[in-house]
Amino acid sequence: GQQLNQSPQSMFIQEGEDVSMNCTSSSIFNTWLWYKQDPGEGPVLLIALYKAGELTSNGRLTAQFGITRKDSFLNISASIPSDVGIYFCAGQLAGSARQLTFGSGTQLTVLP
Amino acid sequence: EAGVAQSPRYKIIEKRQSVAFWCNPISGHATLYWYQQILGQGPKLLIQFQNNGVVDDSQLPKDRFSAERLKGVDSTLKIQPAKLEDSAVYLCASSKSGGAQETQYFGPGTRLLVL
Repeated sequence: GQQLNQSPQSMFIQEGEDVSMNCTSSSIFNTWLWYKQDPGEGPVLLIALYKAGELTSNGRLTAQFGITRKDSFLNISASIPSDVGIYFCAGQLAGSARQLTFGSGTQLTVLP
Repeated sequence: EAGVAQSPRYKIIEKRQSVAFWCNPISGHATLYWYQQILGQGPKLLIQFQNNGVVDDSQLPKDRFSAERLKGVDSTLKIQPAKLEDSAVYLCASSKSGGAQETQYFGPGTRLLVL
């Protein structure tokens, strides 16, 4: 199947720091989504991006849909302890009948 | 609005046994998805239903996995017989009509351990 390369695999940051993670692919996507998954729960949608170049914010979170449509990044500013979790990018391939392909996740740990 | 419900939350079985998972989507959602999430990986789509019809089951291992959504509401996913590599979290998700810009809402998942 199609691969989404998500990096970094894990991050340890101090409370208050900013963090950035990204996803890349060799394929073109129509949609990029960013999810957060807490332990024992299903993924929850954070931000959805539908147009190349789109930059969208949700509180302290900002995400961008790459111009080439093959990448996306997520930034979290001024991290807090509740930001801990696994962040997944997901994309819908052009012509994919709405299937989502997920990245392998970024495990974020926020140290007090 | 109630979210996606799944049961059981945990299941431990021995290899070659059978197991079934149940999902009740958000009320009014026509599209239902089953995903498999292996530890350390992102979810992988197994099957997608639109009402009671299958839209995509290309990644469902049909020799041992089956799923149904007979009345177009709740759904069951079955594994028979289970293998060790089936140990994973099985996530159910739903969306209103499966449109390109619709949000998929996930349930809490069923954690399966095959011994």
